[in-house]
Amino acid sequence: AQKITQTQPGMFVQEKEAVTLDCTYDTSDPSYGLFWYKQPSSGEMIFLIYQGSYDQQNATEGRYSLNFQKARKSANLVISASQLGDSAMYFCAMRGKSRYNTNAGKSTFGDGTTLTVKP
Amino acid sequence: KAGVTQTPRYLIKTRGQQVTLSCSPISGHRSVSWYQQTPGQGLQFLFEYFSETQRNKGNFPGRFSGRQFSNSRSEMNVSTLELGDSALYLCASSLAGTGEEELFFGSGTQLSVL
Repeated sequence: AQKITQTQPGMFVQEKEAVTLDCTYDTSDPSYGLFWYKQPSSGEMIFLIYQGSYDQQNATEGRYSLNFQKARKSANLVISASQLGDSAMYFCAMRGKSRYNTNAGKSTFGDGTTLTVKP
Repeated sequence: KAGVTQTPRYLIKTRGQQVTLSCSPISGHRSVSWYQQTPGQGLQFLFEYFSETQRNKGNFPGRFSGRQFSNSRSEMNVSTLELGDSALYLCASSLAGTGEEELFFGSGTQLSVL
């Protein structure tokens, strides 16, 4: 079974500062993908960043980076230079990677972290 | 390229009725998955379809069912609606549903059961 834990229900950050959103996971799959999504108040989920379980380097996408620590089973999202438009709910998710893995088509999501950026 | 389209955007039903939600994936995407989002339970996986076959199913009662057509469009059906079925239902598509593909989500269908 897969499980994602996000322990921060809400976070506040000052505009232009960096913020880290925590995510820990548990899985028995040998190969998996980790994702972060953003959900603004409008409701639509937006993909931010992906990290493969065998990737040697941490993923980066513009102001987003993923701090991947496999041994600790953590995949924290770091947002640098926060902007007011970053205020949203953020979800950590994972998928099993093998085509023959029963979890391959299923994404497991954490409960989310609501980020509020203060001006 | 058009995004994932979900219809209708809003639905109001009464207990005991049934409802059908529709999802058109991005052109070329063959995997469609459905999620139920509620404030108390977060995002819960319902099922995933690939090439008209249900490949994975979450822990929902049999009242929740779905199907996928040859053009990859998918429908989700909920029979005998209960108050607890009130939720935002999100559909997502990806090319092949593998673990390295991100999901592209629709805007969702907000279902209210009275």
